[in-house]
Amino acid sequence: EVQLVESGGGLVKPGGSLRLSCATSGFTFSNAWMNWVRQAPGKGLEWVGRIKSKPVGGAIDYAAPVKGRFTISRDDSKNAVFLQMNSLKTEDTAVYYCSTGGGIVGFDFWGQGTLVTVSS
Amino acid sequence: SSELTQPPSVSVSPGQTARITCSGDALPKQYGYWYQQKPGQAPVLVIYKDTERPSGIPERFSGSRSGTTVTLTISGVQAEDEADYYCQSADTSGTYPVFGGGTKLTVL
Repeated sequence: EVQLVESGGGLVKPGGSLRLSCATSGFTFSNAWMNWVRQAPGKGLEWVGRIKSKPVGGAIDYAAPVKGRFTISRDDSKNAVFLQMNSLKTEDTAVYYCSTGGGIVGFDFWGQGTLVTVSS
Repeated sequence: SSELTQPPSVSVSPGQTARITCSGDALPKQYGYWYQQKPGQAPVLVIYKDTERPSGIPERFSGSRSGTTVTLTISGVQAEDEADYYCQSADTSGTYPVFGGGTKLTVL
């Protein structure tokens, strides 16, 4: 059974930093493209960024609103993906989901999400 | 443009057919995907590559495309299908995924 479990969310002040983790199991993590998708309260889904698998080059792409502030990384030995968020803004407040895929098969598996609240 | 446009809401009675459209200039070049999200839950992929249904998704869910529009059709709608539905595709380069604004399906 595929499982994705996010952690690390919480309350942070504007300008602060937070690191999210996504622990996975049930699939070959080293071959998986991993994504972060967020959802502001009462709003729709927004893709944040993606890290491809190392066999296809491991490229990392970010959405424009977070580029230069957020960093995605992966640890294939721990089957985990991370999202380092710096210079946080109030508009970054959202539930952050990690998900697999994002390529031709779509975002096929999702975690339950972790809430990040940026407020003074 | 990489924007995807969905109607904010669709309402149907149980047993009827619901159709949710998603329009975008990049759709002729990129596949369309559909996700179902119930309150307090993570999204679930219900259609991929325009028309394909993942394992475990009921046959009443189907997808189609015509030009710049992809459509999610739910035949014989059930009360449990009440949810928000999001379409997803990519920009014209295929690099950046993009989501539509979402459609709230109400089962009357």
